[in-house]
Amino acid sequence: DADVTQTPRNRITKTGKRIMLECSQTKGHDRMYWYRQDPGLGLRLIYYSFDVKDINKGEISDGYSVSRQAQAKFSLSLESAIPNQTALYFCATSVERGVNEQFFGPGTRLTVL
Amino acid sequence: AQKITQTQPGMFVQEKEAVTLDCTYDTSDQSYGLFWYKQPSSGEMIFLIYQGSYDEQNATEGRYSLNFQKARKSANLVISASQLGDSAMYFCAMRELNTGFQKLVFGTGTRLLVSP
Repeated sequence: DADVTQTPRNRITKTGKRIMLECSQTKGHDRMYWYRQDPGLGLRLIYYSFDVKDINKGEISDGYSVSRQAQAKFSLSLESAIPNQTALYFCATSVERGVNEQFFGPGTRLTVL
Repeated sequence: AQKITQTQPGMFVQEKEAVTLDCTYDTSDQSYGLFWYKQPSSGEMIFLIYQGSYDEQNATEGRYSLNFQKARKSANLVISASQLGDSAMYFCAMRELNTGFQKLVFGTGTRLLVSP
């Protein structure tokens, strides 16, 4: 059973459309993250959340917004999608304690035409 | 600012041989953690191994070990007895532990191909 799930897994959309990517987790972790992955650039942090009331911008938040609906749910929205937002998007979770490794969802491949 | 550098875009190794994937880092924080993740062609990110900056011994997890050289700021991943299933992208990442958020910063990755 997947601990971190993302929907949809693949999405093709057109420039200017509003898109929402959803992430759910059953790990009971407080911290959740959204990353994007572009070829040759590794993963870059878009937004992160310590808990339901704590949401923060990452290094590339322009053009994105998020919503933490519950401890287990963290959604990423593209208000008006543009082609350079074509990428692989990952949701991740972690706890505050210990090694604090991040557990990733399977990713959402988004294409903006 | 924290930075991770992986200088090997691609590496080739024969099955059953060992391979080292390079990672250097830059940070002004004295307390930090180093991670390696594997990304197979299916796309998911799989946590492999962790090394804390104050850990005196190199981390090991099965066939994975981390060659941590603090003075050189390097954290190379060693995979022993390579298997065909090890073919994947490998990412090194770092988290500074004294900053407010402890952001995880990734390198650009190394693609490993294991041949029979």
